[in-house]
Amino acid sequence: DSGVTQTPKHLITATGQRVTLRCSPRSGDLSVYWYQQSLDQGLQFLIQYYNGEERAKGNILERFSAQQFPDLHSELNLSSLELGDSALYFCASSDPGLEHNEQFFGPGTRLTVL
Amino acid sequence: AQSVTQPDIHITVSEGASLELRCNYSYGATPYLFWYVQSPGQGLQLLLKYFSGDTLVQGIKGFEAEFKRSQSSFNLRKPSVHWSDAAEYFCAVGARRGSTLGRLYFGRGTQLTVWP
Repeated sequence: DSGVTQTPKHLITATGQRVTLRCSPRSGDLSVYWYQQSLDQGLQFLIQYYNGEERAKGNILERFSAQQFPDLHSELNLSSLELGDSALYFCASSDPGLEHNEQFFGPGTRLTVL
Repeated sequence: AQSVTQPDIHITVSEGASLELRCNYSYGATPYLFWYVQSPGQGLQLLLKYFSGDTLVQGIKGFEAEFKRSQSSFNLRKPSVHWSDAAEYFCAVGARRGSTLGRLYFGRGTQLTVWP
């Protein structure tokens, strides 16, 4: 158990809908990262938050957004969903005191868009 | 741009045999290097990491990896594979500084099958 929790574990929805994925980082970790794992693209970095502020952005679609709240949990919002958004979405967290950016991953949320 | 190549999509070995999974990276400097394992339906678990110093690093579950700067490689090895090692293995690199600091770049993964 990495200490990172993600809910829900599975999500099935229809095209055009909007969903919210939730992540709670390890206790003490200020950074949260979101990754998407799909058959087409593999594991891709989406976005990073550090202590409530957006720190880095990767290949995140405009239909996707994220935020990190004062209690450090994070939410990834996916809207106008398309079939191609079906994927496993991982959240990871890291300790800012560590120089080497070791990231601890949650179990993921499997999103299926029908 | 940073990239990670895992040349072997699928590897099959017999239980008790040795294992080597290959990883090559493209990066302007020496990155942080990681190997993660993903079992079916599970998240990613860190096996080992290289930051600096000794180029042979030991990890959990009896795995080790060797960083070779001249070859831009970070291959994962295990002397004797167990059936429970069947999983997908991902190599990843992370920047030490700069605009991409924070994100990890992953290879496409190597699926390991272990025959009894």
